[in-house]
Amino acid sequence: DQQVKQNSPSLSVQEGRISILNCDYTNSMFDYFLWYKKYPAEGPTFLISISSIKDKNEDGRFTVFLNKSAKHLSLHIVPSQPGDSAVYFCAASPENELSGTASKLTFGTGTRLQVTL
Amino acid sequence: DGGITQSPKYLFRKEGQNVTLSCEQNLNHDAMYWYRQDPGQGLRLIYYSQIVNDFQKGDIAEGYSVSREKKESFPLTVTSAQKNPTAFYLCASSTGLYETQYFGPGTRLLVL
Repeated sequence: DQQVKQNSPSLSVQEGRISILNCDYTNSMFDYFLWYKKYPAEGPTFLISISSIKDKNEDGRFTVFLNKSAKHLSLHIVPSQPGDSAVYFCAASPENELSGTASKLTFGTGTRLQVTL
Repeated sequence: DGGITQSPKYLFRKEGQNVTLSCEQNLNHDAMYWYRQDPGQGLRLIYYSQIVNDFQKGDIAEGYSVSREKKESFPLTVTSAQKNPTAFYLCASSTGLYETQYFGPGTRLLVL
């Protein structure tokens, strides 16, 4: 049962335009959400995160929107650049799991973004 | 330079053989994790460790074992019981709850 879903396996966007990557989740216990970017044969790198107390978080060209009632989040990249071409993973974590220090992330299957010239 | 290192980059395993993947971090992070990535699938958690001398099974722990004898190190052993070991293995670490996980470069394991 996929608790974090990225229904679009790939997305192609022209340079300079907006890229919108979507993510849906089913577990209502998830309270913290992250986006990671991954190049081939490399580990994912953290991009941006959002806590459930917010509905928007912005960092430069990257903005994440959270709609908790719809259990949906999206990553907007504006303007898109060729270097943004990568696989983007959405991840989610519950708030008080284990009452400990480890945050157990559940990842989506990823969306491959191709930014064309 | 702080970071997470994984070695080797590529690893070949023969049938029935155990192999160990190395993960070292000098970020002073308490928590460490092992994930597996297969084509078309998200990252799946194998094992994680909150602190030294403690570790917990993740979603797909069968056929794997770990140890956490030092804060900096979290080696993963892929045992012969793991019937489909070919995958890209990623190690990560974080300071604690809600803290961002930082990933190593990964090890690709192939079965001969």
